[in-house]
Order: sequence, then C-alpha cells, then structure tokens
Amino acid sequence: DSGVTQTPKHLITATGQRVTLRCSPRSGDLSVYWYQQSLDQGLQFLIQYYNGEERAKGNILERFSAQQFPDLHSELNLSSLELGDSALYFCASNQGGRTGYTFGSGTRLTVV
Amino acid sequence: GQNIDQPTEMTATEGAIVQINCTYQTSGFNGLFWYQQHAGEAPTFLSYNVLDGLEEKGRFSSFLSRSKGYSYLLLKELQMKDSASYLCAVTVHSGNTPLVFGKGTRLSVIA
Repeated sequence: DSGVTQTPKHLITATGQRVTLRCSPRSGDLSVYWYQQSLDQGLQFLIQYYNGEERAKGNILERFSAQQFPDLHSELNLSSLELGDSALYFCASNQGGRTGYTFGSGTRLTVV
Repeated sequence: GQNIDQPTEMTATEGAIVQINCTYQTSGFNGLFWYQQHAGEAPTFLSYNVLDGLEEKGRFSSFLSRSKGYSYLLLKELQMKDSASYLCAVTVHSGNTPLVFGKGTRLSVIA
C-alpha cells in the first residue's frame, strides 16, 4: 500500500456519460497530481492541486475538471465521455524534493 | 516545450546488465526521476538525481549529466521480475511541481 488511495479501481461506462474519480493523498502531503495513461502512451499530466488550490494545469480537456477538498482528497470529473478517454488515470502526491512522488494504484476507465 | 526521449523497447538476458538511456530538453531542470511500472500497475520510485554523477542503490544505479541533458538507468544481475516499463521523468521547477514523463522503455528479460 503506497498510502495514496484511489477509487474505484475499475469503471466501465457509456459514451456521453460523466464519471468521478477519487484520490486521497498520503498523510501529510498537500499536493495531488492527476495523470492519464493511454495504451502505449506515457503518463500525461492533467492537473495539480496544492492545499485546496489549483497549482498547475497540463493537457486537460475542457470536459474534465477537478477539485481538492479541505480534507485534501481530490476528485477528477470526466464528462461527455468519448471512446478515446479510455485510459488508466493515476493520482500522485509528494512532499517536494527528492522524496519522490507516490502514485495510487489507478482507476482503469473503459468507455464503451 | 518539454521533450524527454527514451528507447521504446529493450530486451536483455537474465543475469546480464542493461542500460536504459534518457535524454531531455526542458525549459528548466530541478531533478530527474526513474520509475518502474509493471503492466497495469502504478509507477514505483527507483531513483532521483539532481547533481551530476552516479547514484547507486543495490542492483540499480542512475547517472546524470546536466550539461548533456542525459541520464541512464543501469540494472545489474537482471531478474525475470525486472521485466517492466522504466519511466524517466523531470521536474522543471523546484518545490511541489508536476513531473514530466517520457513515454517509457519497455524492458523484457529473457532466459
């Protein structure tokens, strides 16, 4: 157990639908990062939250949004889903510097 | 823009040594990470380099040359369980900032 918790582990949904992915960072970590990993693709950075505020934005589609709550857990909302959104979605947290970024086990999203 | 290049695939023999290279061109540099990722699983941290030179950790070593924008991960005494993808990632700024990843190198260890 890495200490970063993601739910659900698997999600199957239809095109056009909306889903919410949840992430709880390691105890004491203020940052949450969301990444998308499609088949044979690298990890693509989507968005970062730090202590409740949006800190950085990557290649996140307008159909996607996220937030971080006062207890530091984060949710990634994906709407108007398309087949191409099928991917593994990871969240990670860190304490900065050389301590490394710790990843959750991911949510595998399948859009049919 | 940020560009991180790694070979797509490599194959090596059990018990051998393999070197996985990574070159980067980024707008800034505050450290380079190597992660291991088994298929369908989360990436796990292997090493971190911010200064030039070699960092050794058991069977795994990582090297960095900042002037050349180059790093490598060296895996010794390869085991079948080392078959995985190896991801090179860079932080561009200090503090809590996102990792920028290369596409990863898929390593197959054969008997």
